[in-house]
Amino acid sequence: DTGVSQDPRHKITKRGQNVTFRCDPISEHNRLYWYRQTLGQGPEFLTYFQNEAQLEKSRLLSDRFSAERPKGSFSTLEIQRTEQGDSAMYLCASSLGLVKNEQFFGPGTRLTVL
Amino acid sequence: QKEVEQDPGPLSVPEGAIVSLNCTYSNSAFQYFMWYRQYSRKGPELLMYTYSSGNKEDGRFTAQVDKSSKYISLFIRDSQPSDSATYLCAMSGTGNQFYFGTGTSLTVIP
Repeated sequence: DTGVSQDPRHKITKRGQNVTFRCDPISEHNRLYWYRQTLGQGPEFLTYFQNEAQLEKSRLLSDRFSAERPKGSFSTLEIQRTEQGDSAMYLCASSLGLVKNEQFFGPGTRLTVL
Repeated sequence: QKEVEQDPGPLSVPEGAIVSLNCTYSNSAFQYFMWYRQYSRKGPELLMYTYSSGNKEDGRFTAQVDKSSKYISLFIRDSQPSDSATYLCAMSGTGNQFYFGTGTSLTVIP
């Protein structure tokens, strides 16, 4: 499978716990994006990497959220001290950066905070 | 006011019907316009991509962009039950941030 993969697919955690999600983009894609989607809404942009550099962050990304892409390949999104309002689908997308707006999405990680 | 407005539906049509899905937007800087299809509990799948104004056709799908009216459309001809999904419009300007509509839920009845 050469598409975007995300792990885990589902995560249930208790309020206050930390969680970390992983995204593996399509191998030759240098751009990687994180989005959050809640029920009945479209994806909301969180952050964007070009190679290992984090170039844009949404104001939605509070200081409890941190994202990394250490070697310009896979990326991780960590949420510290989770709150019930963090329950959502977290989507990762990647693009080649030539026709820059063709973003390909992974299946998402569904987070439930109890 | 949201950057992108999309009627959430739900929309229900008989098999074989022509479906029209629409979004409006407020930011005149948007120049890239996309349509995604999302099945329940899956990630969005890119259907159509259009730059600036005009039409683009791909099989049963036609995307239209009218920048003067800040209005985009997706038409699905000969709709099939497998087209039942949520359709998301998305757009961006020169930056890398995408703005999505809320999605329109479509059901095609056999």
